[in-house]
Amino acid sequence: GAVVSQHPSWVICKSGTSVKIECRSLDFQATTMFWYRQFPKQSLMLMATSNEGSKATYEQGVEKDKFLINHASLTLSTLTVTSAHPEDSSFYICSAIGGGPTNTQYFGPGTRLTVL
Amino acid sequence: GEDVEQSLFLSVREGDSSVINCTYTDSSSTYLYWYKQEPGAGLQLLTYIFSNMDMKQDQRLTVLLNKKDKHLSLRIADTQTGDSAIYFCAERANQGGKLIFGQGTELSVKP
Repeated sequence: GAVVSQHPSWVICKSGTSVKIECRSLDFQATTMFWYRQFPKQSLMLMATSNEGSKATYEQGVEKDKFLINHASLTLSTLTVTSAHPEDSSFYICSAIGGGPTNTQYFGPGTRLTVL
Repeated sequence: GEDVEQSLFLSVREGDSSVINCTYTDSSSTYLYWYKQEPGAGLQLLTYIFSNMDMKQDQRLTVLLNKKDKHLSLRIADTQTGDSAIYFCAERANQGGKLIFGQGTELSVKP
């Protein structure tokens, strides 16, 4: 149980285009989903917290117009990187909380974004 | 503010025990977690411990929590080459289930 998927697993795009990444909880309903960014050999950097049906809460320094988050249902959240540039190239990981007393975060496999 | 610290590297021989250490600053943390990340993959939950516990054992994994010193450790018994990965400890902040991660410890297991 508690499986989180991400799609696509990797994507290469041209500078100036937009890329959408999907995060799905496969066997549970996710009250809250999180989006992280990870640079090579570094820890995870939280970008935003999204709750179903409401606006995402962005961490300080994260541009909300650049990284659009939509949490349309209890099993799906999407992150759209708008007008991508090479500096947006990174590993993006989502996680989901399914409720319960521990509120444990379960992570997706990550999406590798390369912007040319 | 909240902060979690880990040593960056650990190298052990196959069959030995590995101990990965972590310190945290938020004394109000309720849950502390250990995640494993293999190259190019997401984070896999290994185990967690509730703050009112001192120890938790799950097969080859033993978690020790010293709440007074705000010190958490993960012991892997009979370490195998498949255990080579980056291990992250994390504390759960009070607000909305957010996690505060350490920098990650890269475990290298030599045959």
